Amino acid sequence: GQNIDQPTEMTATEGAIVQINCTYQTSGFNGLFWYQQHAGEAPTFLSYNVLDGLEEKGRFSSFLSRSKGYSYLLLKELQMKDSASYLCAVTTRADRGSTLGRLYFGRGTQLTVWP
Amino acid sequence: ETGVTQTPRHLVMGMTNKKSLKCEQHLGHNAMYWYKQSAKKPLELMFVYSLEERVENNSVPSRFSPECPNSSHLFLHLHTLQPEDSALYLCASSQDHPGTEAFFGQGTRLTVV
Repeated sequence: GQNIDQPTEMTATEGAIVQINCTYQTSGFNGLFWYQQHAGEAPTFLSYNVLDGLEEKGRFSSFLSRSKGYSYLLLKELQMKDSASYLCAVTTRADRGSTLGRLYFGRGTQLTVWP
Repeated sequence: ETGVTQTPRHLVMGMTNKKSLKCEQHLGHNAMYWYKQSAKKPLELMFVYSLEERVENNSVPSRFSPECPNSSHLFLHLHTLQPEDSALYLCASSQDHPGTEAFFGQGTRLTVV
């Protein structure tokens, strides 16, 4: 089975830095996504990590350690509009005889940014 | 706008009704997905489709039946639903299996009364 854990809620103030952690236990791990979801909207892609290390994209960075089953999303210079749910998602390789992998999501971390 | 369109956006149905959710993508993707999002729960993968095969979550009740007539369209047929099926149903697509970014539709907010 798949087990993906992330904190339920976090709060921070404008201009601060926040790190959202995600741990996972999964078979056939292929890669890890981070998505952002504002209330009432569709999830939108933030980052994708396949190899160990840090991927930086503007104010957002994502880190992966495959050996530890651990990832984090780092948000810098927080803005009010960053208040949203952040979803950690794991992709798995296709089963034998199949061409389709899977994409499994954690519960999401609700981030609230205060002025 | 993500390139994935879902209709309707909102649906209220009785437990004896039959309805269908529609998803359409013109991104040239090969794989399409149905997810269920309930309050305080993770996004639950229901079905994965490509032209060659369908993969389903064995825990999804048979009152949900997907249909994928071509690579651009995906339906979720609903019949004799229960109140606990009320949720946001999200469609997504990606190029091949999910080793690439999945694009999500805006979802259908379903309420079963």
